[in-house]
Amino acid sequence: DSGVTQTPKHLITATGQRVTLRCSPRSGDLSVYWYQQSLDQGLQFLIQYYNGEERAKGNILERFSAQQFPDLHSELNLSSLELGDSALYFCASSGLAGGPSDTQYFGPGTRLTVL
Amino acid sequence: AQTVTQSQPEMSVQEAETVTLSCTYDTSENNYYLFWYKQPPSRQMILVIRQEAYKQQNATENRFSVNFQKAAKSFSLKISDSQLGDTAMYFCAFTRAGGTSYGKLTFGQGTILTVHP
Repeated sequence: DSGVTQTPKHLITATGQRVTLRCSPRSGDLSVYWYQQSLDQGLQFLIQYYNGEERAKGNILERFSAQQFPDLHSELNLSSLELGDSALYFCASSGLAGGPSDTQYFGPGTRLTVL
Repeated sequence: AQTVTQSQPEMSVQEAETVTLSCTYDTSENNYYLFWYKQPPSRQMILVIRQEAYKQQNATENRFSVNFQKAAKSFSLKISDSQLGDTAMYFCAFTRAGGTSYGKLTFGQGTILTVHP
């Protein structure tokens, strides 16, 4: 158990809908990362937050957005869902510096299926 | 942009034997970090080992060790005394040490390792 929690574990929804994925980092970690794992694209970095502020952005679609709240949990919002958004979405957290020297610990992931 | 390549989509090994997974990367950076993550059938991503590019000594964690060849941009993972629980997908990952990367990981395509009894 990494100490990172993600809810829900599974989500099944229809095209055009909007969903919210939730992540709670390890106790004391200030940095949260979101990754998408799909058959087509492999594992890709989406976005990073550090202590409530967006710090880095990767291949995140405009239909996707994220935020980190004062209690440090983070939410990833996916809207106007398409079949191709079906994937495993991981959250990871890292320590105080939130930089490359910190090890990232991954949550169990949320499996999103868009029908 | 950095890229990470794992040229072996699948590997298999007998229990108790040794196996080596390959990874190459492309970067113009001098300072960076390399990782191997394991993803078993449960889909959880588990850190196996990490290497800091400025350290010449190869990292070791119990049965897992790396062969880091900076000039060749190669970072292979050796698993000794393979166990059934090592069956998993293994990902090689890279992150820059400076600039605005802030630790975002770039992953290879993964290698599926199967350990046979």
